[in-house]
Amino acid sequence: DAGITQSPRHKVTETGTPVTLRCHQTENHRYMYWYRQDPGHGLRLIHYSYGVKDTDKGEVSDGYSVSRSKTEDFLLTLESATSSQTSVYFCAISVGTDGTEAFFGQGTRLTVV
Amino acid sequence: GNSVTQMEGPVTLSEEAFLTINCTYTATGYPSLFWYVQYPGEGLQLLLKATKADDKGSNKGFEATYRKETTSFHLEKGSVQVSDSAVYFCALSANTGGFKTIFGAGTRLFVKA
Repeated sequence: DAGITQSPRHKVTETGTPVTLRCHQTENHRYMYWYRQDPGHGLRLIHYSYGVKDTDKGEVSDGYSVSRSKTEDFLLTLESATSSQTSVYFCAISVGTDGTEAFFGQGTRLTVV
Repeated sequence: GNSVTQMEGPVTLSEEAFLTINCTYTATGYPSLFWYVQYPGEGLQLLLKATKADDKGSNKGFEATYRKETTSFHLEKGSVQVSDSAVYFCALSANTGGFKTIFGAGTRLFVKA
C-alpha cells in the first residue's frame, strides 16, 4: 500500500516568515500534488510534480513554491506567510491502474498569526 | 476548463434514511469520476469511482452511476448510519495533463441516531 507522511502535522507561524511543509512517499510514485482545503472551496491544487525537478503550477500557486529533488520527497514552501494562507494542506499521489485516483496524506494544519 | 459542482450542505438525516448527494461536472474528453470521503480530523479517502459512461461505482452501500448524457455522478445510499457522518467530495480526473484531480466544494452529512 502507498504510504504518505506529512510533516509537521500542525504549525503556527507569524506573518512574513517562510514555512516549509514536507511530503514523503514510500512507493516511488511519479506524480505528487499539494492541495489546500478551505471551507466552501473543497480542495484546490497549489502545485504538482511529474518527476524529479519537474513541477508545474495549479490554480492557487501565488505565494507558494515547491521543490522535488528526490522521488520520495515533495516540499511546499510559503515564501512569506500571510493570514490568507491559514489552511489545511494535503499532499497526494496519483495511484490506481490508470493513474487517476488520488491517495492523500493526513494533512498539515497551518495557522498564520 | 474542467469543474465539479455538488449540492451544498449540510445535509442532516435520521439513521436509516435514504441519501442522495447531487454532483454534476464539466469536462473535455472522458474523465474518471470519484467520490471521496473525509471523516473528522482525517485526510480524504476514496469511496468509489467510475471510469466510463454508464459504469456504476459502489462501496460500503454507497453507489453512483456515471451519466454522460446528464454529466452527473450522484451519490446514493439506501440506509445511512451515524458512522456515515462525514464530508463527501465529488471529483474528476483525466489521464492527461498531469492526472490532476478537480474537486467539488464538499457536502457535509450529519446522521442522527
